[in-house]
Amino acid sequence: EDQVTQSPEALRLQEGESSSLNCSYTVSGLRGLFWYRQDPGKGPEFLFTLYSAGEEKEKERLKATLTKKESFLHITAPKPEDSATYLCAVRGGYQKVTFGIGTKLQVIP
Amino acid sequence: KAGVTQTPRYLIKTRGQQVTLSCSPISGHRSVSWYQQTPGQGLQFLFEYFSETQRNKGNFPGRFSGRQFSNSRSEMNVSTLELGDSALYLCASRPGGTGGEETQYFGPGTRLLVL
Repeated sequence: EDQVTQSPEALRLQEGESSSLNCSYTVSGLRGLFWYRQDPGKGPEFLFTLYSAGEEKEKERLKATLTKKESFLHITAPKPEDSATYLCAVRGGYQKVTFGIGTKLQVIP
Repeated sequence: KAGVTQTPRYLIKTRGQQVTLSCSPISGHRSVSWYQQTPGQGLQFLFEYFSETQRNKGNFPGRFSGRQFSNSRSEMNVSTLELGDSALYLCASRPGGTGGEETQYFGPGTRLLVL
């Protein structure tokens, strides 16, 4: 069974204080690893898809990286508007998507 | 391009009733998946439909069912509602098909409260 574990569960940063969120996974035949951002009461907003180890993608202050066992979401110089829950998910060989519980990020001005 | 839309956005039901939720995917997307999100369990996969056929199913009881129409719109139904069914129900779409784009895009969700 595919599994996704995200850490930490919650993270509090000062504005401008860079950090990383971790997503460890076990999957049979990785077809894609996904990062989403979710604001309270809203649907997840797509950020990145990574397909193979060594791949990296960037968008504004966010950078996602992938190894064979984990992915990191690096947040550089975060702003208060980056506060949200960040979700990691994998799609395995059986096409099902498995989500982690998420990391709740709070950025304090 | 319009995003994924879900109706209704909010719903209040009582135990024992049934409910039907609707999802319209992004134009051109043929795959629709449904998820249940609760504070304790996170996002749990319910099922995926592609070209009117259920392609995958999660570990939910038979009270949860779905269908997809020829225009790719999808509905999910929950019968004999229980208090524990209170959750945010999310629909996601992607192009689907062999070798298709794996990324799925989510709708805003339907918030269901069972009293």
